[in-house]
This record gives sequence, C-alpha cells and structure tokens, in this order.
Amino acid sequence: GESVGLHLPTLSVQEGDNSIINCAYSNSASDYFIWYKQESGKGPQFIIDIRSNMDKRQGQRVTVLLNKTVKHLSLQIAATQPGDSAVYFCAEAQAAGNKLTFGGGTRVLVKP
Amino acid sequence: KAGVTQTPRYLIKTRGQQVTLSCSPISGHRSVSWYQQTPGQGLQFLFEYFSETQRNKGNFPGRFSGRQFSNSRSEMNVSTLELGDSALYLCASRPGTVNNSPLHFGNGTRLTVT
Repeated sequence: GESVGLHLPTLSVQEGDNSIINCAYSNSASDYFIWYKQESGKGPQFIIDIRSNMDKRQGQRVTVLLNKTVKHLSLQIAATQPGDSAVYFCAEAQAAGNKLTFGGGTRVLVKP
Repeated sequence: KAGVTQTPRYLIKTRGQQVTLSCSPISGHRSVSWYQQTPGQGLQFLFEYFSETQRNKGNFPGRFSGRQFSNSRSEMNVSTLELGDSALYLCASRPGTVNNSPLHFGNGTRLTVT
C-alpha cells in the first residue's frame, strides 16, 4: 500500500452499521496480509491476518477478504461500536521474514 | 502475559545528539522489530533482530542502529539526530520460530528533536 501521508481517508459510520475498509497492496509476491487498529497514543493492535492461499477469514465481528487478482484487501467490521473508532492499517509481507509494508491507514469515526 | 514494553514513552533531544530506545518483548518472543511512524511517511520498517542477530534491515541511514541481548530485549540507537528523526518509534515482537506469525506492537517512544 502507498502512504497517503497527513491526509488520511476517513470513513464515517453510524453506530450499529457495518464498516468496510479497503486497501490496495502493491507487491504481487506478498503472501501474508494483516490488519491493525491504532488508537490515539497507542501502538498498532493486531486484528486479523490472512495468507495468500485463502480469500476470506473471519474473526470476532471482523472479516478479511483478499482478492489477489486485483491486489485488494478489505476489512469488514460488523455492528460497528464507538470503541472501533481508530486508524486502521493494512500491511503485507513476503514469505521470508516478517518485514511488513504498511498502507497509509484509514480513519474510522463512529457516530453515536 | 505482559505486552511489549517500550521505554521511555517520551523523549526530547537536540539536533546532533544521540538517543537510545529500549524494548522488552513479550515473554518467549525471540524476534524484535523496530518501525518508525511519522505523519508524512507512515509506518516504515527499520530492522529486525532474532537471537541477537540482525535478520532484516530497512532503508534507513547508518545513523540508525540496533542490537538485541541474550534475553531478547532490544535497543535501538540513533546518532547525530536530525529534525526529521522526530517520530513515534515502535517496537514489535513475535515468537520468531514460525514465519508470518503476527507482530505485536508496544505503545512506542515519542521522540522529538529540536
């Protein structure tokens, strides 16, 4: 993913609605993808990961979808809650080692 | 288990000085990675250590260095600080014995260079 710098895209969501956060990745050789949530003043918190041999993986209230054909990753959050307000980052890695390449992030704002 | 611990949380330094940041990984984790986070460049990989050896390195100048101790604790050092080094420095750990297991991050050290 490309860094978008200071101007993070923002997704404004009504509490209780579903959220979808999208991410385009750049390296077709990447075989591991991961989503992090970062709240103000904290480090990134692991949400969910997926390997390239899968196209969907579900966690608690979250689903990650991977489309390798168009190099696209998405994170779906069901029944979005105020505590989901944060910046969300996707990241990719190749098979060897754990060097992650991060996208620029998306800010999610949950409206009560 | 305690999470990744980074000290100090905040640091203010002057241009030209050097700084050392410390990281204690999750107990049992042998791989420690460092990332720099800035508003302009986002999250960028600095380096990774495993069993006291640097296993991977990002595209940062030689002023950025690190090391890992036998207890897996890690330090990173930045010499001859520049204004552009102001950033949140994040440490992350993982077991290191399974490829692509998720990294777990600490809350970072906020470095301000004046």
